[in-house]
Amino acid sequence: DADVTQTPRNRITKTGKRIMLECSQTKGHDRMYWYRQDPGLGLRLIYYSFDVKDINKGEISDGYSVSRQAQAKFSLSLESAIPNQTALYFCATSRSLLGQETQYFGPGTRLLVL
Amino acid sequence: SQKIEQNSEALNIQEGKTATLTCNYTNYSPAYLQWYRQDPGRGPVFLLLIRENEKEKRKERLKVTFDTTLKQSLFHITASQPADSATYLCALDRNSGYALNFGKGTSLLVTP
Repeated sequence: DADVTQTPRNRITKTGKRIMLECSQTKGHDRMYWYRQDPGLGLRLIYYSFDVKDINKGEISDGYSVSRQAQAKFSLSLESAIPNQTALYFCATSRSLLGQETQYFGPGTRLLVL
Repeated sequence: SQKIEQNSEALNIQEGKTATLTCNYTNYSPAYLQWYRQDPGRGPVFLLLIRENEKEKRKERLKVTFDTTLKQSLFHITASQPADSATYLCALDRNSGYALNFGKGTSLLVTP
């Protein structure tokens, strides 16, 4: 079974709709992240959470919100989706331990906003 | 602002040769640098981490160097194989915790 899972894997929605992307992990990591990836722009950080009570904005948080329901779950919401939020979204996890800063990524959610 | 630059042009090499990818950065003093591999439509996979006080790191056919004076890391794949074809991303810590800043990646194509 995958250590980091994302649901749904693909989603088509319409402008103005609210949608939620979910991420779960079984790695026991305390840190979780949401990125989006666009052709030519690379991976950009949306939000990150260092533990359940610690949520931080990344470089492109406008139009997004997150919820850390438990150590293992981190959800990303688009309150009112717009077409330029069409992208590939990745969740990632890591440990807060010096020497173990590597990140483990989920398989991604491909989102299309019409 | 912090910037990471990787060759935007794809690197095409012949099987068996050594592939060398470059990662340059500015306005950074990273504590470490990481390299990831990403296949189309899939999440990045961690390959190697090198710290600021390390000059070189090796793992099987992979070698990473880190020059903090030049603000550059080189990623080498020796005896390259078609299965090494992928996009390779470098990533640096953001100086404010363990969130990473990723380069845009370089696409590598190894032909038989």
